[in-house]
Amino acid sequence: DAGVTQSPTHLIKTRGQQVTLRCSPISGHKSVSWYQQVLGQGPQFIFQYYEKEERGRGNFPDRFSARQFPNYSSELNVNALLLGDSALYLCASSLAGIVTEAFFGQGTRLTVV
Amino acid sequence: AQSVTQPDIHITVSEGASLELRCNYSYGATPYLFWYVQSPGQGLQLLLKYFSGDTLVQGIKGFEAEFKRSQSSFNLRKPSVHWSDAAEYFCAVVPRGGSQGNLIFGKGTKLSVKP
Repeated sequence: DAGVTQSPTHLIKTRGQQVTLRCSPISGHKSVSWYQQVLGQGPQFIFQYYEKEERGRGNFPDRFSARQFPNYSSELNVNALLLGDSALYLCASSLAGIVTEAFFGQGTRLTVV
Repeated sequence: AQSVTQPDIHITVSEGASLELRCNYSYGATPYLFWYVQSPGQGLQLLLKYFSGDTLVQGIKGFEAEFKRSQSSFNLRKPSVHWSDAAEYFCAVVPRGGSQGNLIFGKGTKLSVKP
């Protein structure tokens, strides 16, 4: 069985640009969450989507947005990139909206220069 | 304030020695409790979880954790560490109440293993 897949694995962007990160959850999982992990820190919650609706949002600016598609895959968009957005972005999938077990992808390493 | 604390930033143990990684939480109601492991540049792998019941939880890779309500702790243990256990370990919670839809992580403990 395929696990959680994220693309791309790495990318480099320039300040002010926009970026889109993609995530495919485990088959049958209806919830996707996004986390930002800055070097040396634990992951910080950005968004949760369940059944294509936003179910939760962390303390991130409006430059961050996301959506979930009918096949439960998800995209995270970040506009007007700042140097501080450089991080590992992790996607997690779970069966339902209440997270009793979350499975993580390998992440997308974003570097903003 | 609600928080998850991992007091040790970096721990070094010898291969074959025992290991205990500490985690404390501060929430009104006992949250769902998790331990994850992260190898360099990789995603997170779930080691074990606790929701209720037996306070000693067995996980993968020979890890176990003990929930102690009186101490608001959920410490991770392994009797004999292998070199491949070198990684970063994160304690995480899902608070009860609210959406229960997101994990809140501690800052992590980096484990180094000496030959």
